[in-house]
Amino acid sequence: DIQMTQSPSSLSASVGDRVTITCRASQSITSYLNWYQQKPGKAPQLLIYTTSSLQSGVPSRFSGSGSGTDFTLTISSLQPEDFATYYCQQSYSTPRTFGQGTKVEIK
Amino acid sequence: EVQLLESGGGLVQPGGSLRLSCAASGFTFNSYAMSWVRQAPGKGLEWVSAITGSGDTTSYADSVRGRFTISRDNSKNTLWLQMNSLRADDTALYYCARCGTTSSCLQTAFDFWGQGTLVTVSS
Repeated sequence: DIQMTQSPSSLSASVGDRVTITCRASQSITSYLNWYQQKPGKAPQLLIYTTSSLQSGVPSRFSGSGSGTDFTLTISSLQPEDFATYYCQQSYSTPRTFGQGTKVEIK
Repeated sequence: EVQLLESGGGLVQPGGSLRLSCAASGFTFNSYAMSWVRQAPGKGLEWVSAITGSGDTTSYADSVRGRFTISRDNSKNTLWLQMNSLRADDTALYYCARCGTTSSCLQTAFDFWGQGTLVTVSS
């Protein structure tokens, strides 16, 4: 199985900050990396698919990059509604595996 | 508008069975592969199972293979997860999720999710 490791596990940031979350795969997944946002008590929502493609309706302050084993989710200017937990997920092979999550909290 | 509505969760004793349903609307159901993803209380996301749009190919996580069965009825726009031999570590919120392609949930993302149905396995 491909292991997905996110860092950090949590972070505190202020509105307006630039935030970067990293996801590392245990082997190459080429570009098959997706990012999800989950708010408390809600279902996850797709933010970015295939490393860098923005899902319809997602604000442009979210962006993704990377390839192979190392990937990044960036929020260019953190907004109040962005405080949530973020998960990466590989769709390269079965089982489709998720990272452990990164909780973004208010500083 | 894409909608996925799960049902069938509840409290069940260890070793028991439960069948989850996911009613889909707002899209051409047979054009999309579907998956179940679960989340134990306070934990992260775990993919459970997937099925192609036609229903002819399925896949499972090792943790549920041989105990869970995914199926679908495209005439009823419904996805199911039959769960047998349930264990305490199966306790979770179970989400139905749409995959972005017909053929599988590989090389694509889970682009729409239901709100989940809670399964609690306890004596």
